[in-house]
Amino acid sequence: EPEVTQTPSHQVTQMGQEVILRCVPISNHLYFYWYRQILGQKVEFLVSFYNNEISEKSEIFDDQFSVERPDGSNFTLKIRSTKLEDSAMYFCASSTRRAGGKDTQYFGPGTRLTVL
Amino acid sequence: DAKTTQPNSMESNEEEPVHLPCNHSTISGTDYIHWYRQLPSQGPEYVIHGLTSNVNNRMASLAIAEDRKSSTLILHRATLRDAAVYYCILRDSNQAGTALIFGKGTTLSVSS
Repeated sequence: EPEVTQTPSHQVTQMGQEVILRCVPISNHLYFYWYRQILGQKVEFLVSFYNNEISEKSEIFDDQFSVERPDGSNFTLKIRSTKLEDSAMYFCASSTRRAGGKDTQYFGPGTRLTVL
Repeated sequence: DAKTTQPNSMESNEEEPVHLPCNHSTISGTDYIHWYRQLPSQGPEYVIHGLTSNVNNRMASLAIAEDRKSSTLILHRATLRDAAVYYCILRDSNQAGTALIFGKGTTLSVSS
């Protein structure tokens, strides 16, 4: 069964450093997403991406964040200058272009980001 | 997305049925009811969705009230692997490819 993959599984970085989290969505999916979950808290939406542009973003997704689909398979989340509060689990998800309300999102296993 | 209300936690014994309730009194006629779950240390996982009629799949059943103001996710025989946080989320049928808004969900504990 196709699945979303994410690398690395755990990333440790120093505050102020740039990090790039990578995702390979399911191959025939057209919508891509990033979510994050701070330890013990709710899963929070960051950004959605369709047709090579951001389609929706939350207040969390400020200028420090960017997303890119550099080729036909990868989807990346870049944090330009990490802060302690960026420490969280980051989940990538993808979905097909189905009629609204019926689309289901498939999530990857997550990347645990630890900012020291 | 319209608001949903779920109990914070529920407990079950292995191999017994589990009924997880969700209230969505402000649901609109175009909202689909989706359920996701998150196993410990894993990403969220789609479980089931429906609009008006009850739905069954290999994972669970979804029972939707006639007035659609509530729904129940049914796990027919709970296993230890079903211990997870279960989220009830409404999705507008006029929107595709938009954010899932997760609440706190219901934490299901399963005992052997």
